[in-house]
Order: sequence, then structure tokens, then C-alpha cells
Amino acid sequence: EIVLTQSPATLSLSPGERATLSCRTRQSISYNLAWYQHKPGQAPRLLIYGVSNRATGTPARFSGSGSGTDFTLTISSLEPEDFAVYYCQQRVNWLYTFGQGTKLEIK
Amino acid sequence: EVQLLESGGGLVQPGGSLGLSCAASGFPFNSYAMSWVRLAPGKGLEWVSSITDSSITTDYADSVKGRFTISRDNSKNTLYLQMSSLRAEDTAVYYCAKGVSGALDYWGQGTLVTVSS
Repeated sequence: EIVLTQSPATLSLSPGERATLSCRTRQSISYNLAWYQHKPGQAPRLLIYGVSNRATGTPARFSGSGSGTDFTLTISSLEPEDFAVYYCQQRVNWLYTFGQGTKLEIK
Repeated sequence: EVQLLESGGGLVQPGGSLGLSCAASGFPFNSYAMSWVRLAPGKGLEWVSSITDSSITTDYADSVKGRFTISRDNSKNTLYLQMSSLRAEDTAVYYCAKGVSGALDYWGQGTLVTVSS
């Protein structure tokens, strides 16, 4: 079973700042690494798939990178609507795994 | 426009059963794998189960294996999750989601399942 570890658990930043969220695994995984944004009371939203591909409607300030065991979601300049919980996710065959989430809060 | 609409949630006693449905529209339902994902109070997203487009392959999280059954009716564009032997820890909002390229690109708004006596 692949375990995804996200860090930090909570990230406190101000609008306009750059956010860097990390997702690590103990074993190398394929390109099936995705990132989601989730706000209370809403459906989760796919931001990035295949490590670095922006999903339809994802603003250009969001970017994904990484390979092997270390992956990163970067938000270049935070907008007020970006404060939410972010999850990484991978898939092996038809078994999905989510990280435990990073809460991005306003400082 | 892709739409996923879950239904069937509610209050059920421990040990009881409940069936969820997810009505899909706006895309060729029979061409995509589908999944259920849940969000328990105070916890993070947890994948529950997936089914391929033609129902040939299904998979389950260890936490629900043997208790939950995923299925689909492509003629009705509907995904199902039959849950039995429910436990308090199954209390969550249950989302259905459409699969693509190793990710889940569209999600429903979710349906709340509460397991309590």
C-alpha cells in the first residue's frame, strides 16, 4: 500500500505570497499524481493531474511538479479564494490513495 | 455540463444497511470508471471504492471490503454503493466522482450518511 505524506499540515500565509505544498511517498510512484482543492460544503475540485497538467479551469498560478517520491503543488501568488484544504492523490491499478491534506489558512 | 447527483444518505443504526445512488449526466457514462470517496467529520478525504466502465473490475478500501458493494447500471447512467454492517466510523459525506487519467475530475456535492443509535 502506498502512503502519501503531505506537509506541512497547516500553512499560514497572506494573499500575494507564494505557497509551496509537499507530497511524499516512501516508494516511487508513476505519473498518476493529482492535486485537489476542497472548501467546506463544496465538492472537491481537481486542480492538477499527471503530476503537472492543469485541469480545465485551473488558474495558471497553480503548478505541479516532481517525480519519483517527491511532488509539489505551488501557488505563485495567493488569491483570497485559494485558502482551503489541499490533497494529493495517486492511483495504482484501481486503488486510489489520498494524502492527509494541507490546510492553507490566511495569516 | 457534467453533473453527478448523489442520493440515499440518511441516519442508520450501527449494523444496518443503506444504499447510495449517483445519477450522472453530461458525459458518456459507459466510457468512464467511477469512484466513491468519503469525508468523515474532522478527517481527510478517503477513497472508498472504484468500478471500471464495463464493471469488469471493482476495488475497495480495506476499511470497507466485505461490507460495501459498488455497482453501476450504464443503461440508467447511475452508480451505486450498497453499504451493510455499518459502523459509527462510516459516518461521512459520500461523494461520487468520475475518473480520468488516474485522477477524479468531476465530483458530486455529496450525500451525508450518519451511523448512530
